Amino acid sequence: DVKVTQSSRYLVKRTGEKVFLECVQDMDHENMFWYRQDPGLGLRLIYFSYDVKMKEKGDIPEGYSVSREKKERFSLILESASTNQTSMYLCASSFVLTARIYNSPLHFGNGTRLTVT
Amino acid sequence: AQSVTQPDIHITVSEGASLELRCNYSYGATPYLFWYVQSPGQGLQLLLKYFSGDTLVQGIKGFEAEFKRSQSSFNLRKPSVHWSDAAEYFCAVAPTGGGNKLTFGTGTQLKVEL
Repeated sequence: DVKVTQSSRYLVKRTGEKVFLECVQDMDHENMFWYRQDPGLGLRLIYFSYDVKMKEKGDIPEGYSVSREKKERFSLILESASTNQTSMYLCASSFVLTARIYNSPLHFGNGTRLTVT
Repeated sequence: AQSVTQPDIHITVSEGASLELRCNYSYGATPYLFWYVQSPGQGLQLLLKYFSGDTLVQGIKGFEAEFKRSQSSFNLRKPSVHWSDAAEYFCAVAPTGGGNKLTFGTGTQLKVEL
């Protein structure tokens, strides 16, 4: 079974801190994603990566960056955390099946609940 | 750009009753459609997906969904709800032209009364 592991379940940081959220998948998936989940807003895509060292902006990339140095690991970075980045962050991965990438569903981690004070 | 609307924020049903969760999408062609479920404290799990072909798709845990092109809808149904179905349900859409952007609805919170 695919396992997507997010390193922290809960995280509390101060405004202005640099924050790293780590995600590791064990199924050699090409695609990895970072979403944030807020009540009433559903899931919104922050960044995704379709290969090592490759990244693309999602719908709300402002205030975030990402790093993918190894295929199994995708990191979300908050350069200077702000209170409006308090949220649940979900990592997901999927593999590529020719051009029909959505033959492969997203596999999600359990999320990291980040509080910025 | 595609979008997804889930008009019901909360739904409460009695255990054993039938369930229908609504989902409407906006997209220029027929998109790929998905339903995901999120149990408390968990990530999202895929219930079912529609790519093409038969418009009635079966998923896990006894769920099914019907794609209706004329109504731009992809409603999720279950004939008899179990208490363990209490969770949040998300409809999602992806463009058939490719690309990695899966767009999610805002979710419907399901409560099951015993």
